[in-house]
Amino acid sequence: NAGVTQTPKFQVLKTGQSMTLQCAQDMNHNSMYWYRQDPGMGLRLIYYSASEGTTDKGEVPNGYNVSRLNKREFSLRLESAAPSQTSVYFCAALLSGGGNQPQHFGDGTRLSIL
Amino acid sequence: AQTVTQSQPEMSVQEAETVTLSCTYDTSESDYYLFWYKQPPSRQMILVIRQEAYKQQNATENRFSVNFQKAAKSFSLKISDSQLGDAAMYFCAYSSNFGNEKLTFGTGTRLTIIP
Repeated sequence: NAGVTQTPKFQVLKTGQSMTLQCAQDMNHNSMYWYRQDPGMGLRLIYYSASEGTTDKGEVPNGYNVSRLNKREFSLRLESAAPSQTSVYFCAALLSGGGNQPQHFGDGTRLSIL
Repeated sequence: AQTVTQSQPEMSVQEAETVTLSCTYDTSESDYYLFWYKQPPSRQMILVIRQEAYKQQNATENRFSVNFQKAAKSFSLKISDSQLGDAAMYFCAYSSNFGNEKLTFGTGTRLTIIP
């Protein structure tokens, strides 16, 4: 999925460590999103950014912070990782301007907190 | 808030047969969009098909089609001539036509193709 790139693809952390997940898109899309995927729960929105310089909370924002560094990049930070944050994290980008546009997803980051 | 429900955690189908995955949703909005995403073992999220709520005609994409029943708030996915490559998790998702266009996902249906 060349449009949205997430790094790293896998990461193991110890409880209390900090970590930043990186996301970059080369599609010149306005909106970007961070989701987490847990078994049996589908994808849930953590934070989103409708445009450069703006961010808003989603359904499950506690324990996370985000930065929309520029139009291309949207990072997700765990300041003090907890086992409950073990999950697969997806970044997505959207052109916006109408809900019929599909979100384009990165390949995900599998994060394990020990 | 909108909710999306997929009541079939797992489904299986014989290769070349047809299978239908169910999805219901709840919303007070009249203008919105619905999507089906496929997630194979590679973990990628791949758009399968999308439906605009104001269009009465059901969307189709090759072997994939939907049955959209707006009054019943139902959005099922039909896969015809099932192929081994169709094996994946399938997620139904809702997007408002207003605001931040975030997606609300169902919990997914794991589809197994039996050779």
